[in-house]
Amino acid sequence: EAGVVQSPRYKIIEKKQPVAFWCNPISGHNTLYWYRQNLGQGPELLIRYENEEAVDDSQLPKDRFSAERLKGVDSTLKIQPAELGDSAVYLCASSLRGRTGELFFGEGSRLTVL
Amino acid sequence: QQQVKQSPQSLIVQKGGISIINCAYENTAFDYFPWYQQFPGKGPALLIAIRPDVSEKKEGRFTISFNKSAKQFSLHIMDSQPGDSATYFCAARASGANNLFFGTGTRLTVIP
Repeated sequence: EAGVVQSPRYKIIEKKQPVAFWCNPISGHNTLYWYRQNLGQGPELLIRYENEEAVDDSQLPKDRFSAERLKGVDSTLKIQPAELGDSAVYLCASSLRGRTGELFFGEGSRLTVL
Repeated sequence: QQQVKQSPQSLIVQKGGISIINCAYENTAFDYFPWYQQFPGKGPALLIAIRPDVSEKKEGRFTISFNKSAKQFSLHIMDSQPGDSATYFCAARASGANNLFFGTGTRLTVIP
């Protein structure tokens, strides 16, 4: 069974440029998460989806970050414009409904903002 | 404010030794405590988890010890192997909530 797929794996951009990350969760997983992991830190939740509905986006910096999960499957996380402090690994995870402690993570998208 | 405090930040253990990583929390609403293992360039992967109604859970060489009164839990890796070298994160989830709070991680190095 395929795991969570993310792309791109690496992205280098200059500040003020836009960037987008894509995630394909495990088939059958209704719940999808975007986490940000700063260097030497644990993942921090940005947004959680149940199917296509964003049910927890309290930690998403809405002035520059946006996300969508059309049709309740794939998801895209966008940053516009990017700032230096956005450099991090953006992790996508999925889980079965109600199994919110048992997350399956993708390999992440490492963003470097110059 | 860090919801889950993890220590040590890094740990070096000889092959065959015991690795111990500790975590502490304050929120008594937490009711699920997983540990995740992360290799460089990979996403975290669930290793083992415990609920507060038991004091210990063992899976192979990995054991979680849980002290509800002290609000502490720890991961013990017995007979540590070089392949165990990774970063380990403890985490906690509150009852009725759906957010998993992660610790800051422990970088384990097992030397042959």
